[in-house]
Amino acid sequence: DVVMTQTPVSLSVSLGGQVSISCRSSQSLVHNNGNTYLSWYLQKPGQSPQLLIYKVSNRFSGISDRFSGSGSGTDFTLKISRVEPDDLGVYYCGQGTQYPFTFGSGTKLEIK
Amino acid sequence: VQLVESGGGLVQPGKSLKLSCSASGFTFSSYGMHWIRQAPGKGLDWVAYISSSSGTVYADAVKGRFTISRDNAKNTLYLQLNSLKSEDTAIYYCARADLGAPWGQGVMVTVSS
Repeated sequence: DVVMTQTPVSLSVSLGGQVSISCRSSQSLVHNNGNTYLSWYLQKPGQSPQLLIYKVSNRFSGISDRFSGSGSGTDFTLKISRVEPDDLGVYYCGQGTQYPFTFGSGTKLEIK
Repeated sequence: VQLVESGGGLVQPGKSLKLSCSASGFTFSSYGMHWIRQAPGKGLDWVAYISSSSGTVYADAVKGRFTISRDNAKNTLYLQLNSLKSEDTAIYYCARADLGAPWGQGVMVTVSS
């Protein structure tokens, strides 16, 4: 199984600030078809996870351009700029390149 | 797009439960579907997938005990949980194949004597 390692475990940021979350996979996430199925999700308190970024850097419909994804192979990053109160929650990376799909352990974002 | 899970509850170890996920707002029969679970205070754990043509894939932890199925006429996804263990205690979410459409609100399954 592909192990997804996320760092840091938690982050505290001031409103308007910028943060980065790292996600590393134990194997390359490049699929045979050339796509890299690395996604980022946000789970707000008391809610289901929601998709933010898919295939490394593509923002899902309706997602603010304050969220950006980058990376390749086994190393990926989510950046959040101009942090807003509604951004708080737990961020997960997840891979859909091979079964079983696997997720990172999460990064909790707190607002100072 | 809306996904609504039901069927959760408290069940004894070794017993069975069947979860349902009612879908609306999209052409259900055209999409594969996932079940993903989250133990209390823990992260996300993928459970199973069924394709639009009903091909299935399972996590090793549930293989042989859980069965994913679908009824396209009823726009409903199912997860049959057999031989339940305490470690199956979790919120179970259904989600569309692309994981982009809103996930269901989740249904709690508690396995305890």
